[in-house]
Amino acid sequence: EPEVTQTPSHQVTQMGQEVILRCVPISNHLYFYWYRQILGQKVEFLVSFYNNEISEKSEIFDDQFSVERPDGSNFTLKIRSTKLEDSAMYFCASTRGGQGYNEQFFGPGTRLTVL
Amino acid sequence: GQNIDQPTEMTATEGAIVQINCTYQTSGFNGLFWYQQHAGEAPTFLSYNVLDGLEEKGRFSSFLSRSKGYSYLLLKELQMKDSASYLCAPKGAAGNKLTFGGGTRVLVKP
Repeated sequence: EPEVTQTPSHQVTQMGQEVILRCVPISNHLYFYWYRQILGQKVEFLVSFYNNEISEKSEIFDDQFSVERPDGSNFTLKIRSTKLEDSAMYFCASTRGGQGYNEQFFGPGTRLTVL
Repeated sequence: GQNIDQPTEMTATEGAIVQINCTYQTSGFNGLFWYQQHAGEAPTFLSYNVLDGLEEKGRFSSFLSRSKGYSYLLLKELQMKDSASYLCAPKGAAGNKLTFGGGTRVLVKP
């Protein structure tokens, strides 16, 4: 069964460093998403991406964040200068189509720890 | 904006039934999803309702009342592996994102 994959599973970084989180969505999916979940809190939407551009982003997704689909399979989230409060689990998700019943399939997540 | 309310925690016995309620307010409505999330893992899809009524899927059923802004997830014949958080996620009319509630942590005891 096709699945969303994410690398690395864990990332530890120093405050102020740049990190890139990688995702490979399901191959025939067209919409891609990043969510984050701070420990003990709810899953929060960051950004959605379709047709090689951002279609929606939340208030969390400020200038420190960027997304890219550098080739036909990868979807990346970059945090330019990490802060302590960026420590969280980051989930990538993908779906076939954007409207109506289209369940989003989530990857296993990358646990980011900023020291 | 969206407002989603569900209980924080519920405890039930193996083999029993548990009902997790969710009330929501959204800007427009384009369906409601329920996801299951085990600790430290990703959310996994359970159900989707867009019309009023009950959708049954094995041991799990989900109900929706659009006029009341209300949904519930019913878990029958509880098993130990059902111990997890259950996330209510109504979808607004604009955009494709999922907005999750805080989740209901269900603890199944022997």
